[in-house]
Amino acid sequence: SQQGEEDPQALSIQEGENATMNCSYKTSINNLQWYRQNSGRGLVHLILIRSNEREKHSGRLRVTLDTSKKSSSLLITASRAADTASYFCATVLSGGYNKLIFGAGTRLAVHP
Amino acid sequence: GAVVSQHPSWVICKSGTSVKIECRSLDFQATTMFWYRQFPKQSLMLMATSNEGSKATYEQGVEKDKFLINHASLTLSTLTVTSAHPEDSSFYICSAASGLMNTEAFFGQGTRLTVV
Repeated sequence: SQQGEEDPQALSIQEGENATMNCSYKTSINNLQWYRQNSGRGLVHLILIRSNEREKHSGRLRVTLDTSKKSSSLLITASRAADTASYFCATVLSGGYNKLIFGAGTRLAVHP
Repeated sequence: GAVVSQHPSWVICKSGTSVKIECRSLDFQATTMFWYRQFPKQSLMLMATSNEGSKATYEQGVEKDKFLINHASLTLSTLTVTSAHPEDSSFYICSAASGLMNTEAFFGQGTRLTVV
């Protein structure tokens, strides 16, 4: 079963605006990862945040993690049309479970 | 990042036939490979996890006799969809990792399977 839920399911914004996507999960994790998928393609890794970290940055991306609320957010600042894609959070469960479980994903559309 | 090559990118087959999908990690040794299935506009559902040289671990509800996984080396895993039926039509994605506790997984480009 899916570990995480994401909201919103779909997000439509204009270029230059910020996009925020949220992810919730159910059980304890070792780390949480964000991936991007262009339509009908494979996934590209964006950021990995460990359970003892609260925030990470990478370029225009900012990820936060709140383990007490079992939630994470991905912020894309100054969005571009090329950011249009589906974004997924994925969790690696704690306890030595060597697998990556994906959330439902957010479909982001950035309009020029 | 590391490169994972998945072939074929698309395949059409007749009902009742078997289809093999290959997943290769080109520039690193993957201790673990994962196979996912994705329906249109949905998320990735983990089907099975395979470690080199050992039997794959299948997720609940995935038929191991239907979806045969072989992880013969640290750089190659194969998924064979046996006796395919139209309901097996889907997007199959493999990924490879050398340890998820500290690093990300790398994904193939996926295989679009259509069973007619």
